[in-house]
Amino acid sequence: AQSVSQHNHHVILSEAASLELGCNYSYGGTVNLFWYVQYPGQHLQLLLKYFSGDPLVKGIKGFEAEFIKSKFSFNLRKPSVQWSDTAEYFCAVGRSNYQLIWGAGTKLIIKP
Amino acid sequence: SQTIHQWPATLVQPVGSPLSLECTVEGTSNPNLYWYRQAAGRGLQLLFYSVGIGQISSEVPQNLSASRPQDRQFILSSKKLLLSDSGFYLCAWSVRPMLRLATEAFFGQGTRLTVV
Repeated sequence: AQSVSQHNHHVILSEAASLELGCNYSYGGTVNLFWYVQYPGQHLQLLLKYFSGDPLVKGIKGFEAEFIKSKFSFNLRKPSVQWSDTAEYFCAVGRSNYQLIWGAGTKLIIKP
Repeated sequence: SQTIHQWPATLVQPVGSPLSLECTVEGTSNPNLYWYRQAAGRGLQLLFYSVGIGQISSEVPQNLSASRPQDRQFILSSKKLLLSDSGFYLCAWSVRPMLRLATEAFFGQGTRLTVV
């Protein structure tokens, strides 16, 4: 079935560690790609997006993601995490019928 | 700037009672509007989307319905709530793209619905 997969449901890291969260999708054709973040008690916010062009996109708060078309992947990275990055992260794929299809989310906990 | 308002933030309703959740968007015209349900560990499930007044597409058949009486108003309703309708409901809007490829959505604060 067509889907968006986030392989890690929970990730625990220490401050200053590097982060990579995986996202794979199974849709063919043209898609838009997104990462959203939901901090505790807050609404979903857009971290970064990819529509076309340079497959390495930079977002807010030092996050970046790389689109690898051959792998149907859009992994999120940050070289050095902070305690304030504790949140839930969602990958989403924009398809050709106005829909955003969502991964199940990854809960990231940063230990101070 | 654009803002989205969703209310109420929390709601406790008895089984069998009606439901009306409202969402309004300010600062933009002709938005695409969406109702999602967010379940822990399962991401967001699209319930309804609308590309214009009176135009509603349903993605998941269930006990809920949606209406768009005005360009920037989107309402989620139920005639009789079930226990299984409990959850976290999110309204969102996006710019209507030239192509049908979905662009980024902007979310409201959500409504935590508990059916008792």
